[in-house]
Amino acid sequence: DADVTQTPRNRITKTGKRIMLECSQTKGHDRMYWYRQDPGLGLRLIYYSFDVKDINKGEISDGYSVSRQAQAKFSLSLESAIPNQTALYFCATSVPGSTSGSVGEQFFGPGTRLTVL
Amino acid sequence: QKEVEQDPGPLSVPEGAIVSLNCTYSNSAFQYFMWYRQYSRKGPELLMYTYSSGNKEDGRFTAQVDKSSKYISLFIRDSQPSDSATYLCAMTSRGSYIPTFGRGTSLIVHP
Repeated sequence: DADVTQTPRNRITKTGKRIMLECSQTKGHDRMYWYRQDPGLGLRLIYYSFDVKDINKGEISDGYSVSRQAQAKFSLSLESAIPNQTALYFCATSVPGSTSGSVGEQFFGPGTRLTVL
Repeated sequence: QKEVEQDPGPLSVPEGAIVSLNCTYSNSAFQYFMWYRQYSRKGPELLMYTYSSGNKEDGRFTAQVDKSSKYISLFIRDSQPSDSATYLCAMTSRGSYIPTFGRGTSLIVHP
């Protein structure tokens, strides 16, 4: 089974709809992240969480919100979806850098392809 | 100007060629340099990382960092069609460990 799973894998929705993307991990990592990937723009950080009680905005948080329900679960919500939120969304986990020599390697889920019409 | 610049390509090469992928950066605090590989319809996976300056070799792959020029490279020797993917550079600074990613370079190795 995959260590980082995302549901749904594909979603088509309409402008103005609320939508939630879910992420679960079995790696036991405290740190979790949400990114979006757009052609030509690369990966951009939306939100990140270093533990259950810690939520931080990333580079492009406007229009998004998150919930860290447990160490293993991190959800991303689009309160009122708009077409320019059409993108590939990735969840990722990591251990803190310098832990056992780690550089903070990130482990990504398979992605959710979201289309907002 | 983005902190990390990477040419998105695509870069198309014949099988067996030596591939050079590069990134430049502006933040002198970056100390850890990583390369991720992303196959189509998959999430990125860490390929290699280096700390500070110098070279690191792993099979057909060599990662190189030149901090004085703020320039990093990934070389792929004897490239194979299975190397066709998008390669993203990423960098972190000590204490932060949240990577700043380049845009990714699409590599196509044709038989």
